[in-house]
Amino acid sequence: AQKVTQAQTEISVVEKEDVTLDCVYETRDTTYYLFWYKQPPSGELVFLIRRNSFDEQNEISGRYSWNFQKSTSSFNFTITASQVVDSAVYFCALRTLSGGTSYGKLTFGQGTILTVHP
Amino acid sequence: DAGITQSPRYKITETGRQVTLMCHQTWSHSYMFWYRQDLGHGLRLIYYSAAADITDKGEVPDGYVVSRSKTENFPLTLESATRSQTSVYFCASSKSGSVYEQYFGPGTRLTVT
Repeated sequence: AQKVTQAQTEISVVEKEDVTLDCVYETRDTTYYLFWYKQPPSGELVFLIRRNSFDEQNEISGRYSWNFQKSTSSFNFTITASQVVDSAVYFCALRTLSGGTSYGKLTFGQGTILTVHP
Repeated sequence: DAGITQSPRYKITETGRQVTLMCHQTWSHSYMFWYRQDLGHGLRLIYYSAAADITDKGEVPDGYVVSRSKTENFPLTLESATRSQTSVYFCASSKSGSVYEQYFGPGTRLTVT
């Protein structure tokens, strides 16, 4: 069985603060993929990043950075100098290649609601 | 580049009626998916398709029917809508291959009265 846990249901910060969104996953597969998606108030789901299980390099993209640690089964997402436009629901997701379907299985966490106040 | 579109964006229907939600993608992605998003349940997979004429059930397929006669289209039909099917429905697509992420449409908000 696989599982994604985003323990932080809601986070509220003031603009320019740094914020980290936690994601912990469980899987017995040795090959898997991790994703982060953003769902702004407009409702669409926007892909942010993909990371495979063999690549533990951290990644930085502008104000966004991701920390992947296999030892703790975590794939945390940090927003530096947050802005009001960062307000959204953020989902972490895990894809494994087992699961009984040709696509494997994609499991989403429950999401973290981030509110950035001006 | 339109990407992936869904129609209608909003729909109100009555219990027992048949309703079809449309999904169209312009990327020629092999895989397409339908999810529903509900408070407390997150995103749940309804059906997916690996290619034209190949579809398979996801986590919550009961009450839904899909077809995929063309690579770019993946309609979802609620045969006899129930109130429990009130939800936001997302279509997604992905390239073939294990590494690729899914790209989502804008969603359809369906209300069954």
